[in-house]
Amino acid sequence: DAGVTQSPTHLIKTRGQQVTLRCSPKSGHDTVSWYQQALGQGPQFIFQYYEEEERQRGNFPDRFSGHQFPNYSSELNVNALLLGDSALYLCASSLAWQGLDEQFFGPGTRLTVL
Amino acid sequence: EDQVTQSPEALRLQEGESSSLNCSYTVSGLRGLFWYRQDPGKGPEFLFTLYSAGEEKEKERLKATLTKKESFLHITAPKPEDSATYLCAVQGRSDGQNFVFGPGTRLSVLP
Repeated sequence: DAGVTQSPTHLIKTRGQQVTLRCSPKSGHDTVSWYQQALGQGPQFIFQYYEEEERQRGNFPDRFSGHQFPNYSSELNVNALLLGDSALYLCASSLAWQGLDEQFFGPGTRLTVL
Repeated sequence: EDQVTQSPEALRLQEGESSSLNCSYTVSGLRGLFWYRQDPGKGPEFLFTLYSAGEEKEKERLKATLTKKESFLHITAPKPEDSATYLCAVQGRSDGQNFVFGPGTRLSVLP
């Protein structure tokens, strides 16, 4: 049973560029949440997708957007990258009816903005 | 606004030396408190969910407890493989499905 997978593992971009990160949820899960984790800090909630719609959003600017596909996989897009966007981006999947009690995290994508 | 703080920031223990990690939280109606373990460069790994004050859960050398204002993660006779960052998170009813994480406690267990 494959867990949550994310791609790419690492990414280096320059300021002003755009980036797309991808996530495949754990088999059977229908909800995907994205988090940003700066070095030495806990993860911060970006947004959550269910039934191909953004259901909840944290305190992140509109430069951060996402998408969920019919197969429940998801993308996180960040436009006009800033140096402060450098972080580990985590995807987590869950079942909507279970809430977040059984939330499983992927290994993350390490984004470096130069 | 929901908040989570964790102490200490870092903890070094000798193998077999038991200790506790603290998670203090402020939330408008707690739906759940969660403990995760995170190894360097990896995603968090789920450990426990606690729902109400007085609840306790155990897994191997770890035991999590919950009061109305804080949670403790007790580590009994730790081993070097217990070295990791331990994250606490809360889910408040007012935030819907959002998780609020604390900054974590970096635990090092020396052989």
